[in-house]
Amino acid sequence: GIQVEQSPPDLILQEGANSTLRCNFSDSVNNLQWFHQNPWGQLINLFYIPSGTKQNGRLSATTVATERYSLLYISSSQTTDSGVYFCAVAYAGSARQLTFGSGTQLTVLP
Amino acid sequence: DVKVTQSSRYLVKRTGEKVFLECVQDMDHENMFWYRQDPGLGLRLIYFSYDVKMKEKGDIPEGYSVSREKKERFSLILESASTNQTSMYLCASSLIYQPQHFGDGTRLSIL
Repeated sequence: GIQVEQSPPDLILQEGANSTLRCNFSDSVNNLQWFHQNPWGQLINLFYIPSGTKQNGRLSATTVATERYSLLYISSSQTTDSGVYFCAVAYAGSARQLTFGSGTQLTVLP
Repeated sequence: DVKVTQSSRYLVKRTGEKVFLECVQDMDHENMFWYRQDPGLGLRLIYFSYDVKMKEKGDIPEGYSVSREKKERFSLILESASTNQTSMYLCASSLIYQPQHFGDGTRLSIL
């Protein structure tokens, strides 16, 4: 099946710093989503971005499908950004199920 | 906004019990999914359904069954609960080729 690798596995920042999270995938995809899992376990949709670039406030994401990677940018980080960030993809040959990466644990210190 | 509702946030059951986890979505989505999340193993797909009464096995279906009698409702059934099924269970729904939306999750403990 498709492989999804996220880096770094852990990231510790001071409030106000910027960061870039990376997601590499091993095959063609027709769905790529970024999620934030908060301390209560809720998975929050950040971006649906199988290709291109999107921005939402302090967050933005870019997917280069031809090179099989996606980047999530967090600017001016806040303590509420802490949690686990997951990248998930759906292989182009299977329109439905998502395969998740192992996540990046982000800690933002005050 | 899409709303996916899971019946319980926390649930404690005994070994050998039959356990039902319910999920309801309000957006007429064809696809519904059940995942479990475990430390060190990430999120893994148990079952999914692409239409009423239709189901397909995911990566880890053993010990589970599902039911989808109505489009908006997808149930996960643990036929005889075991301690290794203690986990966080997450339900999701989507239109085909569209993003998945997740419920808040159920933390299930089997004693």
